[in-house]
Amino acid sequence: DTEVTQTPKHLVMGMTNKKSLKCEQHMGHRAMYWYKQKAKKPPELMFVYSYEKLSINESVPSRFSPECPNSSLLNLHLHALQPEDSALYLCASSQVSSTLNTEAFFGQGTRLTVV
Amino acid sequence: KNEVEQSPQNLTAQEGEFITINCSYSVGISALHWLQQHPGGGIVSLFMLSSGKKKHGRLIATINIQEKHSSLHITASHPRDSAVYICAVRPLRSQGNLIFGKGTKLSVKP
Repeated sequence: DTEVTQTPKHLVMGMTNKKSLKCEQHMGHRAMYWYKQKAKKPPELMFVYSYEKLSINESVPSRFSPECPNSSLLNLHLHALQPEDSALYLCASSQVSSTLNTEAFFGQGTRLTVV
Repeated sequence: KNEVEQSPQNLTAQEGEFITINCSYSVGISALHWLQQHPGGGIVSLFMLSSGKKKHGRLIATINIQEKHSSLHITASHPRDSAVYICAVRPLRSQGNLIFGKGTKLSVKP
């Protein structure tokens, strides 16, 4: 199994809603990532989890709250989002290593629209 | 200046043509990835390189670490190759996260 599965594929939410994005992998990867991609732009890193601990937070607003409940799951909790947060949210995973060249695997993304 | 520069930004080709997409980067890296993204879709990893050359079907990727440059070649291009191709680098001593180029939008006409 070399898949990273993201759910839901599409999400429309109001600015007062609370929702969660989910990401799952069963490759034994201990590094997981959230990226945000606006239309016609490259992905931008939001968070990195390493061994289920948050290791990088790229100054992301607190209305985005990541969670890594176990080594296979990564969640992104959303609350009080703004329309400009509408984007494709991509999850990725890889082995943890600063020396080994490990391949990154990406999910299909969640297309989020905030209304 | 972006840390990862790709050229061209847009590329239109006729079916069967040989295609080259270039990537230059300015940081020290442990690996370089070539990724493919279809409209509205997720990202598929095509290659991961740290040196030399790799080939997979009609796709070839090369990297020159000294010159900080990589190329992705597509031989005998086909309309189904139409997608955005993204070069991404893994900086030295990173947590595994990638820095992405802006992508090259490829359209192959039948």
